[in-house]
Amino acid sequence: NAGVTQTPKFQVLKTGQSMTLQCAQDMNHEYMSWYRQDPGMGLRLIHYSVGAGITDQGEVPNGYNVSRSTTEDFPLRLLSAAPSQTSVYFCASSYSSPGSTDTQYFGPGTRLTVL
Amino acid sequence: GQQLNQSPQSMFIQEGEDVSMNCTSSSIFNTWLWYKQDPGEGPVLLIALYKAGELTSNGRLTAQFGITRKDSFLNISASIPSDVGIYFCAGPNAGGTSYGKLTFGQGTILTVHP
Repeated sequence: NAGVTQTPKFQVLKTGQSMTLQCAQDMNHEYMSWYRQDPGMGLRLIHYSVGAGITDQGEVPNGYNVSRSTTEDFPLRLLSAAPSQTSVYFCASSYSSPGSTDTQYFGPGTRLTVL
Repeated sequence: GQQLNQSPQSMFIQEGEDVSMNCTSSSIFNTWLWYKQDPGEGPVLLIALYKAGELTSNGRLTAQFGITRKDSFLNISASIPSDVGIYFCAGPNAGGTSYGKLTFGQGTILTVHP
């Protein structure tokens, strides 16, 4: 199993550009989440999904869209990039709800800089 | 929303020393999770706690679920250089099942000098 994979690893955007961060998992996990990590702030939840076709907002959803057409994939779209979205983005998945007895696995992250 | 406060924010220790860090919340958590993040990587789950008062070990790591359900502690004994990283506490948001939502603390940055 490859686990949770994220592409790209690094990305530089100009203000106003749009892009999609890819996330895929091959563990048949129902739950998938997107977090952003900023210095001194830990990880903050952007959007999450409890299964294909079902998504919901997390703590900091503004400026981001998600969809979940398949169990495996959970892309994160930046509609119009802003410097405040410069961050490290992590995708995570788990078989059932994080905080249950199932472990949540994180991808290696995408480091995004918006100029 | 719920917040988790970790302390200390950073620690600089000598190899072989023991380490203690904690996490507190103004609200009750039913599950406490401790993660470690190596430089340039995603977080990895170290220990999960599901019951107030529970004490769980994973090698040199020991974590405890506070009796009040508002705090948790992580101890690392006999630290080694590979313990370097950021340690996060986390817990599922309130309101029954977490439905994929975790709240994370700000992290404790650990540096170990050989």
